[in-house]
Amino acid sequence: AQSVTQPDIHITVSEGASLELRCNYSYGATPYLFWYVQSPGQGLQLLLKYFSGDTLVQGIKGFEAEFKRSQSSFNLRKPSVHWSDAAEYFCAVAPNSGYSTLTFGKGTMLLVSP
Amino acid sequence: SQTIHQWPATLVQPVGSPLSLECTVEGTSNPNLYWYRQAAGRGLQLLFYSVGIGQISSEVPQNLSASRPQDRQFILSSKKLLLSDSGFYLCAWSHPGGTDTQYFGPGTRLTVL
Repeated sequence: AQSVTQPDIHITVSEGASLELRCNYSYGATPYLFWYVQSPGQGLQLLLKYFSGDTLVQGIKGFEAEFKRSQSSFNLRKPSVHWSDAAEYFCAVAPNSGYSTLTFGKGTMLLVSP
Repeated sequence: SQTIHQWPATLVQPVGSPLSLECTVEGTSNPNLYWYRQAAGRGLQLLFYSVGIGQISSEVPQNLSASRPQDRQFILSSKKLLLSDSGFYLCAWSHPGGTDTQYFGPGTRLTVL
């Protein structure tokens, strides 16, 4: 079975600084990979996804993520953080064949300081 | 375009009372449907998923149940709520067929007292 690890429970970044949120997965082959964001009291919004092809994926709100097969990682990045980016971020993984549900990491809470 | 609705948005219920949460999807046919629970600090826990009317798969044994009476309607129920049922309940949908992106509803905040 696949698993997802988000090693950072909380991260604080100054507004305007760059951001990288880490995500590592465990799966025997290349999986489908997702990043979602959740603002307090709201549902999850898809930021970006990787199914195949270019390993650098562009998403909404200026986010990007890079799939690194050798490191089993799919880290989320943003060059300049805005205060409105403060939220919880979830990485998710699913097998790339047949049908399966998503497996989510436990999330990373991003705090943005002025 | 597709939209997903959940109601109620918030709910406060006494221990031992019944529960019914509803989720509906518009703008798509035969979606896969999912119920998740999010407790503080515990991430998302998949409770149930459905690939068609009357087809429900349970991921976690508990006092909750799910039903899909119509193609785009997914209901989460309980006969008797426990304190541990408190949490944020999220419904999601995805296109039918193989694994695909899941799209989430706005959620229901349930507090059991």
